[in-house]
Amino acid sequence: DAGITQSPRYKITETGRQVTLMCHQTWSHSYMFWYRQDLGHGLRLIYYSAAADITDKGEVPDGYVVSRSKTENFPLTLESATRSQTSVYFCASSESGVIYGYTFGSGTRLTVV
Amino acid sequence: AQRVTQPEKLLSVFKGAPVELKCNYSYSGSPELFWYVQYSRQRLQLLLRHISRESIKGFTADLNKGETSFHLKKPFAQEEDSAMYYCALSGGATNKLIFGTGTLLAVQP
Repeated sequence: DAGITQSPRYKITETGRQVTLMCHQTWSHSYMFWYRQDLGHGLRLIYYSAAADITDKGEVPDGYVVSRSKTENFPLTLESATRSQTSVYFCASSESGVIYGYTFGSGTRLTVV
Repeated sequence: AQRVTQPEKLLSVFKGAPVELKCNYSYSGSPELFWYVQYSRQRLQLLLRHISRESIKGFTADLNKGETSFHLKKPFAQEEDSAMYYCALSGGATNKLIFGTGTLLAVQP
């Protein structure tokens, strides 16, 4: 079941480069989210979106940019990658409320060298 | 401020032993609480929600508002329960989930 897909699965980039992580969902869920997963920190919310053209910051938004021109896509851009942004990034979507739970993507493992 | 605390980074038990994964939260209103699980090389998935008062794969969790806790329990651990478990909280109308730092459960044969 590939209702929510992330690409690429793995990415190595250099410090200072711009990187875009893609997230695509096929359910037309209203809500989409980006989290980063780091040892000792768990999952931290970067940005989220309640609908197309509506986005808002989470706990750790600095250094990241998002857009949502279409309901099904929610790309995350690192404008100038830093080593501290080395992490596993998870995209998630939710239909109409957190009570129904999120559906997560498989994650993108990003390494900044 | 909303906060979720999972005090144990690693919990190691033997097969057949009882399991309790601790979760404490901080929130001034009425929270919605969840447990998510991540098996090796798999995506996170919802395990259970406090509002459903359900038992999934033998796991249960009871919301204790007095102690602000939502501990996950299972009476007899199985090897296939080995995974990373995250407690998560949602408060208000934001539809955002705040996660704890996770507990790695290792069930030994």
